[in-house]
Amino acid sequence: NAGVTQTPKFRVLKTGQSMTLLCAQDMNHEYMYWYRQDPGMGLRLIHYSVGEGTTAKGEVPDGYNVSRLKKQNFLLGLESAAPSQTSVYFCASNQGETQYFGPGTRLLVL
Amino acid sequence: SQKIEQNSEALNIQEGKTATLTCNYTNYSPAYLQWYRQDPGRGPVFLLLIRENEKEKRKERLKVTFDTTLKQSLFHITASQPADSATYLCALSASGGSYIPTFGRGTSLIVHP
Repeated sequence: NAGVTQTPKFRVLKTGQSMTLLCAQDMNHEYMYWYRQDPGMGLRLIHYSVGEGTTAKGEVPDGYNVSRLKKQNFLLGLESAAPSQTSVYFCASNQGETQYFGPGTRLLVL
Repeated sequence: SQKIEQNSEALNIQEGKTATLTCNYTNYSPAYLQWYRQDPGRGPVFLLLIRENEKEKRKERLKVTFDTTLKQSLFHITASQPADSATYLCALSASGGSYIPTFGRGTSLIVHP
């Protein structure tokens, strides 16, 4: 039981490049989330999903897109990366009240 | 607007003492509040949950209190150890909505041997 896994662990992008962050969970959870964490800002919700095929915007959705084609996977896309998207990205999932987090993806946009 | 506030300054204490961390909130009608631990380079890990109708919860050396009148939760670690050094996040879920938690910015705890 791996819990929540994230791929990749670390990535460097140039401004304007695109990429997809993958989150996978093996706990059969309905809810999945993408957060970004910046120094002094705490965890901020980007997008979330309440089930397969559904997505919704969080607090800071601009510049990101998501897809939940399979229940176990939640993808976060950056179509045209900007330096302001340099951050650590965390995926989380839950069925009840408690969230289970992945190990994070550190993204640097130059 | 809704706000969750945690002390941004690190809390430094000596091993064996009780650490007390504070989480204050405004403009929330809470359903429940959670505390998470985050170590450097890792994702947050759930510690305790307390509901709006509960005053106190305990788990081993951890204790959480919840005062909805003061709009405050206190998180205590008794007999603290250097291994307790980490950042502690509180997360509030409001009633009447999606219950998706909103996280505070966290407080760093440093336990000195």
